[in-house]
Amino acid sequence: GAVVSQHPSRVICKSGTSVKIECRSLDFQATTMFWYRQFPKQSLMLMATSNEGSKATYEQGVEKDKFLINHASLTLSTLTVTSAHPEDSSFYICSASGGTGATNEKLFFGSGTQLSVL
Amino acid sequence: DAKTTQPTSMDCAEGRAANLPCNHSTISGNEYVYWYRQIHSQGPQYIIHGLKNNETNEMASLIITEDRKSSTLILPHATLRDTAVYYCIVTRVYNQAGTALIFGKGTTLSVSS
Repeated sequence: GAVVSQHPSRVICKSGTSVKIECRSLDFQATTMFWYRQFPKQSLMLMATSNEGSKATYEQGVEKDKFLINHASLTLSTLTVTSAHPEDSSFYICSASGGTGATNEKLFFGSGTQLSVL
Repeated sequence: DAKTTQPTSMDCAEGRAANLPCNHSTISGNEYVYWYRQIHSQGPQYIIHGLKNNETNEMASLIITEDRKSSTLILPHATLRDTAVYYCIVTRVYNQAGTALIFGKGTTLSVSS
């Protein structure tokens, strides 16, 4: 299957700093990328959707100024958690698709980034 | 959006078949049934998907009832490495940016020796 690479796998930062997470599609062009967040013992929650070259679409309740998403190329999307606070500590996961919009399109997921804010 | 109902947890002996049920009684005619699994602290892994016919691949089989209101994922010979949370998904978000998968709570499958 297609490979989605996500880095870093784990990051620890001080409160108030910003953290950037990268998501790359290694063997296909990802027209659309998705960012999810997962708290301990909970399911994945969709945060935002981005198309290459366009502004991201955020889910209700997700602060777009806090979670900056850049999808500048067909193989790279980044999520920047700005001014991180302890409540932002979570497992962040990206996924990518070729963006055909077909109802049977598979999504491929990165390995996730565990963010811990002290 | 169609929603799914799955048992919270299931146990399976190593080497036996694991049958994971999923109810999706409000599924629409053009919505597919997807199965993903997530091993602790990793991203979800695609397993299989189908519309109305039964499907089989190297990982699992998917049995969908004729009325499409429920399905069963079958792992024919479970191993310890199959211990994971299994998600049955039939909902996709359609917005101007694309589609996504909306995850429910899933079933925690524990395979023991």
